[in-house]
Amino acid sequence: DAEITQSPRHKITETGRQVTLACHQTWNHNNMFWYRQDLGHGLRLIHYSYGVHDTNKGEVSDGYSVSRSNTEDLPLTLESAASSQTSVYFCASSGRETGRTNEQFFGPGTRLTVL
Amino acid sequence: AQSVSQHNHHVILSEAASLELGCNYSYGGTVNLFWYVQYPGQHLQLLLKYFSGDPLVKGIKGFEAEFIKSKFSFNLRKPSVQWSDTAEYFCAVNVWGSQGNLIFGKGTKLSVKP
Repeated sequence: DAEITQSPRHKITETGRQVTLACHQTWNHNNMFWYRQDLGHGLRLIHYSYGVHDTNKGEVSDGYSVSRSNTEDLPLTLESAASSQTSVYFCASSGRETGRTNEQFFGPGTRLTVL
Repeated sequence: AQSVSQHNHHVILSEAASLELGCNYSYGGTVNLFWYVQYPGQHLQLLLKYFSGDPLVKGIKGFEAEFIKSKFSFNLRKPSVQWSDTAEYFCAVNVWGSQGNLIFGKGTKLSVKP
């Protein structure tokens, strides 16, 4: 069955370190998204991609970057981790139909703690 | 900018009570609408979605939602909740033509007492 996976599931790091969170989907979806989930804020979009070599900034992109070298993967990098980036991170993907959207399928999440 | 409002932050119900969670969005054009559910410790799963046609949409686990265009609303309902419905519920909107992006509300936590 197709799925979307994230690794690691839990990560503790120190302020200033570079961290990369992996996201891999086997749906063959064009669209991929990264969100962070924080109490009182719901889900906020960090970055998204509509296809290979395409990346776009979302609502809360400062301090994060992504790259899309193939269809399956969209790794999220925290260039210099800050305590404010302690959060749960979700990756999602969706297909593409002209003029409308399919549902987004979510990964299991990565809980990141920055000390 | 488009936004989604979920007015109830935390709803507490007893089993068998009826449920209605509010969702309003701010966009005057064509939209696609979604409700997602997140059970404790799990990822988001789709409950139901509306693209066009009948404004009353039925989803999984007995949930339904009604799209009222004049009120910019897409409220979620269930006639009789169960303890297993304890979860957080998110409303999301996609502006037609904006490809895959969803705008999420801040979520409503539902606690069902056995």
